[in-house]
Amino acid sequence: DTEVTQTPKHLVMGMTNKKSLKCEQHMGHRAMYWYKQKAKKPPELMFVYSYEKLSINESVPSRFSPECPNSSLLNLHLHALQPEDSALYLCASSSGLGRNEQFFGPGTRLTVL
Amino acid sequence: LAKTTQPISMDSYEGQEVNITCSHNNIDTNDYITWYQQFPSQGPRFIIQGYKTKVTNEVASLFIPADRKSSTLSLPRVSLSDTAVYYCLVGDNPGNTGKLIFGQGTTLQVKP
Repeated sequence: DTEVTQTPKHLVMGMTNKKSLKCEQHMGHRAMYWYKQKAKKPPELMFVYSYEKLSINESVPSRFSPECPNSSLLNLHLHALQPEDSALYLCASSSGLGRNEQFFGPGTRLTVL
Repeated sequence: LAKTTQPISMDSYEGQEVNITCSHNNIDTNDYITWYQQFPSQGPRFIIQGYKTKVTNEVASLFIPADRKSSTLSLPRVSLSDTAVYYCLVGDNPGNTGKLIFGQGTTLQVKP
């Protein structure tokens, strides 16, 4: 299984809502990532987890809270988001850090009203 | 991480060979060159990676000259389904951080 799955595919939320994005992989990868992608822009790295520990936070606002409950799962908890946070949120995984190939999921399209 | 420069867009026709060149003048000795492909509303997909000379897989070829200041992704006999954004990335992720820094990418439009 070489797939990264993400749920939900689409999410609409208000600025006062709390929601979570979920990412799962069963490739035995020990590094997992969250990216944000605005329309017609390249993906931007948000967080990197290595062996279930947060190794990189690219100065992401605290209204985004990542969690890695186990080696297969990665969550992104959302709270008090702003309309400008509307974007495609991509999850990726790789066998390790460094120049390893990253496998991306299809993304969650988030709209904040 | 070295900065990359690619053409913003390219057009081609079905059956043609497409070459997309990426400039990375500040590439470091330890840096590898990696290309990803992204279709609309999908995550990027790894295409190919190389360090020097030529690398070929079932999808593409990557040509890297001796000075490594540029690289060329070659897509043989493109089809309509090759219409996508192609990203060139350079870096060895210093300290093995896992960071991927995407440049602006090249939007390839394949016409019938």
